[in-house]
Amino acid sequence: AQSVAQPEDQVNVAEGNPLTVKCTYSVSGNPYLFWYVQYPNRGLQFLLKYITGDNLVKGSYGFEAEFNKSQTSFHLKKPSALVSDSALYFCAVRDLWTYNTDKLIFGTGTRLQVFP
Amino acid sequence: ETGVTQTPRHLVMGMTNKKSLKCEQHLGHNAMYWYKQSAKKPLELMFVYSLEERVENNSVPSRFSPECPNSSHLFLHLHTLQPEDSALYLCASSQGTSGGAYEQYFGPGTRLTVT
Repeated sequence: AQSVAQPEDQVNVAEGNPLTVKCTYSVSGNPYLFWYVQYPNRGLQFLLKYITGDNLVKGSYGFEAEFNKSQTSFHLKKPSALVSDSALYFCAVRDLWTYNTDKLIFGTGTRLQVFP
Repeated sequence: ETGVTQTPRHLVMGMTNKKSLKCEQHLGHNAMYWYKQSAKKPLELMFVYSLEERVENNSVPSRFSPECPNSSHLFLHLHTLQPEDSALYLCASSQGTSGGAYEQYFGPGTRLTVT
């Protein structure tokens, strides 16, 4: 079965500094990988996805993620963090549920705290 | 968040009550989902509807009963719930469910408390 792991429960970073939220995956075959963000009292919002092609994927709100096949990682990055980036971030991987239905397997989430 | 809406946003119910959660998507998508989000646990997929046909998930207790009358609306009917069912219930939709990496769009959720 496919899976993702987010090794850090929380990441703290100062505003203006670069941020990285880590995700590693375990799949058979080619991975389809996603990042979502959840702000307080809100649902999850899609940030970006990797299907194929360039290893550096650009997404919403200035975020990007780097796919690294040799390290089986898909880390989320941003060059300069904002206080408003403080939220819960989820990595996800596509898996098969039935022969014609996919599902997303989510990680346990990483809370990002950006300090002024 | 006007793409996927959920009502009510908060619900408190006793274990003998019957209530329903409602979800509506305005994105023209063909698939809809119910998820359960509990503290300290990964997001749990409960049900998927694709073109109004349900994909079964046998691990979900029968006290949860989904209904999808059309591709824009999804309900989750609740009866005789347990306190451990207290959680945030999220609805999502996507363009499709297979053959592609379709991202899902989520509603704001219903915070359910079972007393």
